[in-house]
Amino acid sequence: GAVVSQHPSRVICKSGTSVKIECRSLDFQATTMFWYRQFPKQSLMLMATSNEGSKATYEQGVEKDKFLINHASLTLSTLTVTSAHPEDSSFYICSARVSEKLFFGSGTQLSVL
Amino acid sequence: GEDVEQSLFLSVREGDSSVINCTYTDSSSTYLYWYKQEPGAGLQLLTYIFSNMDMKQDQRLTVLLNKKDKHLSLRIADTQTGDSAIYFCAESLANQAGTALIFGKGTTLSVSS
Repeated sequence: GAVVSQHPSRVICKSGTSVKIECRSLDFQATTMFWYRQFPKQSLMLMATSNEGSKATYEQGVEKDKFLINHASLTLSTLTVTSAHPEDSSFYICSARVSEKLFFGSGTQLSVL
Repeated sequence: GEDVEQSLFLSVREGDSSVINCTYTDSSSTYLYWYKQEPGAGLQLLTYIFSNMDMKQDQRLTVLLNKKDKHLSLRIADTQTGDSAIYFCAESLANQAGTALIFGKGTTLSVSS
């Protein structure tokens, strides 16, 4: 299947700092990418839909000023967690659509101290 | 609203068949999916089924769809210890920005030898 690369796989940061997570489609162009968040032993919660060249669409309850999404090219979307707090600690996963299939990155485990 | 329900745990013996069940609410979902997640990893697309199909078989995997009851199942034949993972059922949801997936909470499959 299509390859979605997500980086970094794990990041530990201090409270108040910002963290950027990158999501790349390696062998295809992704007009739309999705960002999910997963808490331990929980399901994936859709955070936002990222469309290339336009503003992201955020799900209800997701702060767009805290979770900045940029989709500047057809192969790259980034999620920046600004002024991170311990409650932002979570597993973040991106995905990209190829026709009817959604392929996922390997996820980023964010730990905020 | 949309909701996907799954049983949380399933324990089987190696060599037996595993059946993971899922119910969904959005009758307009075009595709329904099964993903596998191993600890600390992203999601691997196992299989998916178009909503006008009743069954799809792919090697050891069989997906059954009862659209009237909004019930989806995944059968894994000859279950192996390597099949131990969390299995997520997902339905597609079209929103203004794109078509994302809504996930169930996942079924933890434990395979004993």
